[in-house]
Amino acid sequence: GDSVTQMEGPVTLSEEAFLTINCTYTATGYPSLFWYVQYPGEGLQLLLKATKADDKGSNKGFEATYRKETTSFHLEKGSVQVSDSAVYFCALSDLKSSASKIIFGSGTRLSIRP
Amino acid sequence: DGGITQSPKYLFRKEGQNVTLSCEQNLNHDAMYWYRQDPGQGLRLIYYSQIVNDFQKGDIAEGYSVSREKKESFPLTVTSAQKNPTAFYLCASSIAGTSGETQYFGPGTRLLVL
Repeated sequence: GDSVTQMEGPVTLSEEAFLTINCTYTATGYPSLFWYVQYPGEGLQLLLKATKADDKGSNKGFEATYRKETTSFHLEKGSVQVSDSAVYFCALSDLKSSASKIIFGSGTRLSIRP
Repeated sequence: DGGITQSPKYLFRKEGQNVTLSCEQNLNHDAMYWYRQDPGQGLRLIYYSQIVNDFQKGDIAEGYSVSREKKESFPLTVTSAQKNPTAFYLCASSIAGTSGETQYFGPGTRLLVL
């Protein structure tokens, strides 16, 4: 079935470092792809989204490009801040369902050192 | 402000007890969802509802029950049949419940067993 695989954490970086969190997926068809962020003790917030191949989602300095040829949706940011410390989830829409079901990866914890 | 509220923030359950988690949204969304999050893992879908008075089982529905009597409300009951209920429970909603939609999350309820 459809699935999402993202790099295991925790990932620890210094402030202003470049960030990449890898995400690959397995799906039939062309699902929508998402990155959600979860700050400590809170629910998930949508960070960015892409709905078709070669689309680039971007928000708050984060970017991810929908790569059909490599089935990837890697999250990048050029200069991270301490406030970016959180858990990041890659996800895809389940096209086998008529409902808006989303399949989530296991999450990557990011810690940024001042 | 529009959003999703969940209560309580923390909930304690005794052995053999049923407990109910509240989820309310004022976004005028048709679809609502319940997820379970265990430490270091992604989200797993418990139940979802695309319209009032109708709901569907997700991937891990055993030991849980829901109702959808009003568009704004989607309470989740954790029954005594759920043998490992300790987890973080997240409620979400989306506009129409169609494939590819973004889901919006509440702040979550943490359930602990005494």
